[in-house]
Amino acid sequence: QQQVKQSPQSLIVQKGGISIINCAYENTAFDYFPWYQQFPGKGPALLIAIRPDVSEKKEGRFTISFNKSAKQFSLHIMDSQPGDSATYFCAARTQGGSEKLVFGKGMKLTVNP
Amino acid sequence: DGGITQSPKYLFRKEGQNVTLSCEQNLNHDAMYWYRQDPGQGLRLIYYSQIVNDFQKGDIAEGYSVSREKKESFPLTVTSAQKNPTAFYLCASSGGGFNEKLFFGSGTQLSVL
Repeated sequence: QQQVKQSPQSLIVQKGGISIINCAYENTAFDYFPWYQQFPGKGPALLIAIRPDVSEKKEGRFTISFNKSAKQFSLHIMDSQPGDSATYFCAARTQGGSEKLVFGKGMKLTVNP
Repeated sequence: DGGITQSPKYLFRKEGQNVTLSCEQNLNHDAMYWYRQDPGQGLRLIYYSQIVNDFQKGDIAEGYSVSREKKESFPLTVTSAQKNPTAFYLCASSGGGFNEKLFFGSGTQLSVL
């Protein structure tokens, strides 16, 4: 079954702290793992993405860590800011002739000032 | 500015009525997608189109229909056969690999009167 399980469902951190969002998958035929950020009333926006041939990717305060053997990947937000308060979705794309993008259920992050 | 434009932002449907959600893009992207988002849920794919005059059903296509007569436009019709249409509808496009780097519109909130 093609699923991506995201945890926790919600997270509250203080300004300057580290936010960590985890995702686990079962299908080994995924070849692309993006994270999307969504603000209330808006569409999601691509934040950062990784392919399974690398274990980590960093863009500014955002880092994806990828553990292929554990079938897990996580998003780390360093120095979290109130402006990072949003819902974060992980996703995974199947590979092959009919690629599908499977989304996690999302995690609501609140960063307190 | 290049992007995805969805209209209207809010839409109300009477029982038995068909309604059409508009999606226009000026990014020159080949692939376009429609997703449905319910509170606390991830994004679920309704329909997608990889090229003009061609489209494919996603995971929850029942009760919906689409057309792709122009590259820029991918309207979604919610038919009376969709018994639970209340949701946030998101249109997206991608110009790179299929299901990579999705650009989303700001969404349409559909509610039933």
